[in-house]
Amino acid sequence: GNSVTQMEGPVTLSEEAFLTINCTYTATGYPSLFWYVQYPGEGLQLLLKATKADDKGSNKGFEATYRKETTSFHLEKGSVQVSDSAVYFCASGYSTLTFGKGTMLLVSP
Amino acid sequence: NAGVTQTPKFRVLKTGQSMTLLCAQDMNHEYMYWYRQDPGMGLRLIHYSVGEGTTAKGEVPDGYNVSRLKKQNFLLGLESAAPSQTSVYFCASSYGGLRENTEAFFGQGTRLTVV
Repeated sequence: GNSVTQMEGPVTLSEEAFLTINCTYTATGYPSLFWYVQYPGEGLQLLLKATKADDKGSNKGFEATYRKETTSFHLEKGSVQVSDSAVYFCASGYSTLTFGKGTMLLVSP
Repeated sequence: NAGVTQTPKFRVLKTGQSMTLLCAQDMNHEYMYWYRQDPGMGLRLIHYSVGEGTTAKGEVPDGYNVSRLKKQNFLLGLESAAPSQTSVYFCASSYGGLRENTEAFFGQGTRLTVV
């Protein structure tokens, strides 16, 4: 079946540091890929997505590129802010979503 | 802009009790989903619906039932609650399946504790 593996957290960074959160997937065919973000006490919000190989999703300074050859969709941001502290979920799917376990990001001033 | 609304937001049940979680969306979405979120497990799909009157099992359907009598509502039922069902439950909806390049919108969650 489909599965998503992402790096375990927490990831602890200082403000303005570079962020990478790794995500790999297993699936038959070429699913759509997503990053969702969850702030404390809230539901999940879509951060970015990519629907085919080599697509790059971007939003709020975050980027991720759909890499078919490595079945990966790593999340990156060049300069994190304290307000980016949240849990990030990688997900893949066709008609339903399969989520990774989530990675907590903690950014200190 | 209500979006996806879940009720209740918190509930404590005794083992063996029953309850229904309600999810309502006002975006005219065809697809609706119920997920549970547990520490270290991410989100796991319980049941989903691709339209009014339809339901389908997800990854962890045992112990739950669902109904989609109206397009805007998706109900999740626990007939006999067990401590293993202590979790945060999230409802989501989307206009179409993901092949149609649509986004899933999530509710705020329901924190359920079974004692």
